[in-house]
Amino acid sequence: NAGVTQTPKFQVLKTGQSMTLQCAQDMNHNSMYWYRQDPGMGLRLIYYSASEGTTDKGEVPNGYNVSRLNKREFSLRLESAAPSQTSVYFCASIGQQLYNEQFFGPGTRLTVL
Amino acid sequence: AQSVTQLGSHVSVSEGALVLLRCNYSSSVPPYLFWYVQYPNQGLQLLLKYTTGATLVKGINGFEAEFKKSETSFHLTKPSAHMSDAAEYFCAVSDGNQGGKLIFGQGTELSVKP
Repeated sequence: NAGVTQTPKFQVLKTGQSMTLQCAQDMNHNSMYWYRQDPGMGLRLIYYSASEGTTDKGEVPNGYNVSRLNKREFSLRLESAAPSQTSVYFCASIGQQLYNEQFFGPGTRLTVL
Repeated sequence: AQSVTQLGSHVSVSEGALVLLRCNYSSSVPPYLFWYVQYPNQGLQLLLKYTTGATLVKGINGFEAEFKKSETSFHLTKPSAHMSDAAEYFCAVSDGNQGGKLIFGQGTELSVKP
């Protein structure tokens, strides 16, 4: 099992460019999440998908869109990147029981110039 | 609404000393509580969790935490720090609903001095 994988690991964008962050899990998990991590602010939820075919906004959704492509994959898109979106992005997934822990990917470090 | 507060953004201890990282939460329903550890340039790894039952929870690497409902706390402890414990630690709370969403604290960076 690879667990939760994310691509790319690093990315540098110019303001206004677009990109998609990819996430996949091979644990047959129902729910998937996208977080951003900024110094001193912990992890903040951007979007989540409780099950295939559904997505919901989290705490900081502005400037982002998501797609739950199938049960395995959950992508995060920045349509027009801004310097405020410079951050480390983590994808996570959780199994059937919601009191189970979330499993995290290794992260994508994004810099927007 | 749920929230988590971690007291102290940086904690420094000597090798062999007690580690105590503080976490207080607010929740209108019985919470599920988690501690995660993040080593440099890595993702988050679960240390331990409290769901129901015994309030003293043991985790990996010698860490444990005690759920105290009356104090709304879930402090993380380790009797003797090791150099390898240097990392950032996050406390998180979930109410088990809303798709299993976690609310994270701000994080505490633990430094261990030789």
